[in-house]
Amino acid sequence: EADIYQTPRYLVIGTGKKITLECSQTMGHDKMYWYQQDPGMELHLIHYSYGVNSTEKGDLSSESTVSRIRTEHFPLTLESARPSHTSQYLCASSESRPGGSYNQPQHFGDGTRLSIL
Amino acid sequence: SQQGEEDPQALSIQEGENATMNCSYKTSINNLQWYRQNSGRGLVHLILIRSNEREKHSGRLRVTLDTSKKSSSLLITASRAADTASYFCATDASGYSTLTFGKGTMLLVSP
Repeated sequence: EADIYQTPRYLVIGTGKKITLECSQTMGHDKMYWYQQDPGMELHLIHYSYGVNSTEKGDLSSESTVSRIRTEHFPLTLESARPSHTSQYLCASSESRPGGSYNQPQHFGDGTRLSIL
Repeated sequence: SQQGEEDPQALSIQEGENATMNCSYKTSINNLQWYRQNSGRGLVHLILIRSNEREKHSGRLRVTLDTSKKSSSLLITASRAADTASYFCATDASGYSTLTFGKGTMLLVSP
């Protein structure tokens, strides 16, 4: 099993609250990712990072923000949660190969299922 | 979008039967990867096939890649109830910094 952890697993919270979803990995991977996935649907990349102090926006526009101060930690923050943010959020990481031009397999956490009331 | 598209969207079979899922994509790739997702869990990487490979095996899994048709297939032989999950292909396309995942195939294996 991959060593990547997400907390909390489930979160039900009211509109307007500030939320931080935690993601940590112990594999020393440089690259990390956040995906949004509705049940039974495709994954949408919302943020990714090449390493410390690197953050990039993904394909799906998101009101969330991320930070990467430490290699192992890649938290996602919603400043003011809304019902439209209700979804599952998956964190993943992968190695980056020096000089490599292709993407290594990704290791996923079990996700945070977020419900905004 | 150069996103992979899986076919069929859903597949229901009996234990012991083989399951075949297909993935089509639009641009040239470095590699193509298959993942499994059990209900309520994250994705698990199954197998990676490089653009210069045509077939790869891992246990009961067999993956083929046809770059001329821009398609791949995943075959699960002698399916078990525990194979029930969603299966996603992901393309590592040239010039893209991240993988792009398809919409997935939902596989139901009945005892």
